[in-house]
Amino acid sequence: NAGVMQNPRHLVRRRGQEARLRCSPMKGHSHVYWYRQLPEEGLKFMVYLQKENIIDESGMPKERFSAEFPKEGPSILRIQQVVRGDSAAYFCASSPRVTGAETQYFGPGTRLLVL
Amino acid sequence: TQLLEQSPQFLSIQEGENLTVYCNSSSVFSSLQWYRQEPGEGPVLLVTVVTGGEVKKLKRLTFQFGDARKDSSLHITAAQPGDTGLYLCAGENGNNRLAFGKGNQVVVIP
Repeated sequence: NAGVMQNPRHLVRRRGQEARLRCSPMKGHSHVYWYRQLPEEGLKFMVYLQKENIIDESGMPKERFSAEFPKEGPSILRIQQVVRGDSAAYFCASSPRVTGAETQYFGPGTRLLVL
Repeated sequence: TQLLEQSPQFLSIQEGENLTVYCNSSSVFSSLQWYRQEPGEGPVLLVTVVTGGEVKKLKRLTFQFGDARKDSSLHITAAQPGDTGLYLCAGENGNNRLAFGKGNQVVVIP
């Protein structure tokens, strides 16, 4: 049973370009979460999605960031007009359902470097 | 404001020694999870604790959830070099958002 998959593992962008990060949840999981880990900081929650729905985006920056989890295909975290401060590791996690203390399983992350 | 404080931030010990690291908060959590993260990788789940006072063992690792569900500890017996890593605690309080501490960096010297 494959774990959470993320691609690309490493992404380099110049300021002003767009970054697209992909996440395929574990088989049977319908809930996806995105977290960001800045250098010397802990992981910070960004957004929680179910298929075709954004459930909680309270951790998303107000501008330039968006996320989706379509009916078919992976979840996408999109960052428009990237700036150097967006350089970080972005992690996706998935869980099977939400009825209490559902464990979240993490992918290997995408390391974004903005030049 | 860091919701979960982990201490010590960095710990270096000799192989065979025991160690304990801590995860403390002023908030109550429905559940608390411990992960280990290697450089360049994602967090790997070690254990989930949900009941106040709960103790779980995973081979040489012992996890305890405080009675008030605000804090937790991880004890490693007879540490081995393979235990080296960043140990992260994360609390969840019913909103499906995990709040992470900054981690305990453990180095076990052969």
